[in-house]
Amino acid sequence: AQSVSQHNHHVILSEAASLELGCNYSYGGTVNLFWYVQYPGQHLQLLLKYFSGDPLVKGIKGFEAEFIKSKFSFNLRKPSVQWSDTAEYFCAVIPYGNNRLAFGKGNQVVVIP
Amino acid sequence: NAGVTQTPKFQVLKTGQSMTLQCAQDMNHEYMSWYRQDPGMGLRLIHYSVGAGITDQGEVPNGYNVSRSTTEDFPLRLLSAAPSQTSVYFCASSYSPGQGRNEQFFGPGTRLTVL
Repeated sequence: AQSVSQHNHHVILSEAASLELGCNYSYGGTVNLFWYVQYPGQHLQLLLKYFSGDPLVKGIKGFEAEFIKSKFSFNLRKPSVQWSDTAEYFCAVIPYGNNRLAFGKGNQVVVIP
Repeated sequence: NAGVTQTPKFQVLKTGQSMTLQCAQDMNHEYMSWYRQDPGMGLRLIHYSVGAGITDQGEVPNGYNVSRSTTEDFPLRLLSAAPSQTSVYFCASSYSPGQGRNEQFFGPGTRLTVL
């Protein structure tokens, strides 16, 4: 079964700092990739997704992610975070044609004003 | 569209009690799934369904049953609740994987405590 690894479970940043969250997966075939965000007390919302094409994907709220196939990675970035970006971020992977979405364990990000 | 709805929002059970968590979607999605979220564990797939009448087990199916009699509804049943089932439960739906449109939409969650 595929697995998804997210490192640095807890991240604390000051406003305006840059954010990068790593995501690596173990599946060798074609995959669809997602980053979801969960704000405090809320359900998961999609930040961005990669299905095919340009490996640099832009999402909502200034987030972007880069798919590097050779590294089995899909890292999330934001150049300048805001206090409102405080949330938990989950990377998720589903092999193309598969029914089972696998999630990483999440990154808890706290942005200090 | 209401999207994915879940009831109840909160529930407290005693060990051994049974209950059903409800999930419904109005987007005509074929695929529906149940996850549980525990601190430091991310989301783990319990059961999923690729269409009415078809269900399958996920990563952590023990202690849970599901059925899918309609496209819209996908209830999750706890037959005999245990403290280890204390968690937040999320239902999700999407178009069938493999169609390139399989972004999953999540419900608001049910916070379950088993005493």
